Amino acid sequence: EPEVTQTPSHQVTQMGQEVILRCVPISNHLYFYWYRQILGQKVEFLVSFYNNEISEKSEIFDDQFSVERPDGSNFTLKIRSTKLEDSAMYFCASSKGQGDTEAFFGQGTRLTVV
Amino acid sequence: AQSVTQLDSQVPVFEEAPVELRCNYSSSVSVYLFWYVQYPNQGLQLLLKYLSGSTLVKGINGFEAEFNKSQTSFHLRKPSVHISDTAEYFCAVSYSGGSNYKLTFGKGTLLTVNP
Repeated sequence: EPEVTQTPSHQVTQMGQEVILRCVPISNHLYFYWYRQILGQKVEFLVSFYNNEISEKSEIFDDQFSVERPDGSNFTLKIRSTKLEDSAMYFCASSKGQGDTEAFFGQGTRLTVV
Repeated sequence: AQSVTQLDSQVPVFEEAPVELRCNYSSSVSVYLFWYVQYPNQGLQLLLKYLSGSTLVKGINGFEAEFNKSQTSFHLRKPSVHISDTAEYFCAVSYSGGSNYKLTFGKGTLLTVNP
């Protein structure tokens, strides 16, 4: 069964460093998303990506964040100058279509900023 | 803007007992409704979804949910739970007229099934 894969499963980084979280969406999906879950809080939408551009982003997704689909299979989230409060589980998701089609989520990357 | 409230952060039950996990939402527009499950150390898996039509929706693993528009609720139920149902359950909504699939999640309910 096709699945969304994320690497690494756990990333520890020093405050101020840049991190790149990687995702391989399901191959025939067209819409890609990043969500995050700070420990004990809700899963929050960060950004959606379609046709090689951001289609929507939340207020959380400021200039510190960027997304890219560098090679047609990977979908990355870059966080520049990490802060302690960026520590969270980051989920990648993909879907064939929009609205009423199912989004498939990856297992998540736990980012710990120290 | 939409919001989702899951009234119970933790629900402990005994094996073979029935369970209901509560979810209420707030939205000024039509929404799609979802329940996702997260097993330990795994990603989010879709249990079931309500898009339109029959208000009673059946999902995987014997779960079902009922959409109640007047009460703005979408409670999840299972008549008899198993140890393997122990997981975190998330209710989510998306705007049915939206141009993409932006989900708004509740805080989650940890279901613990005890022997």
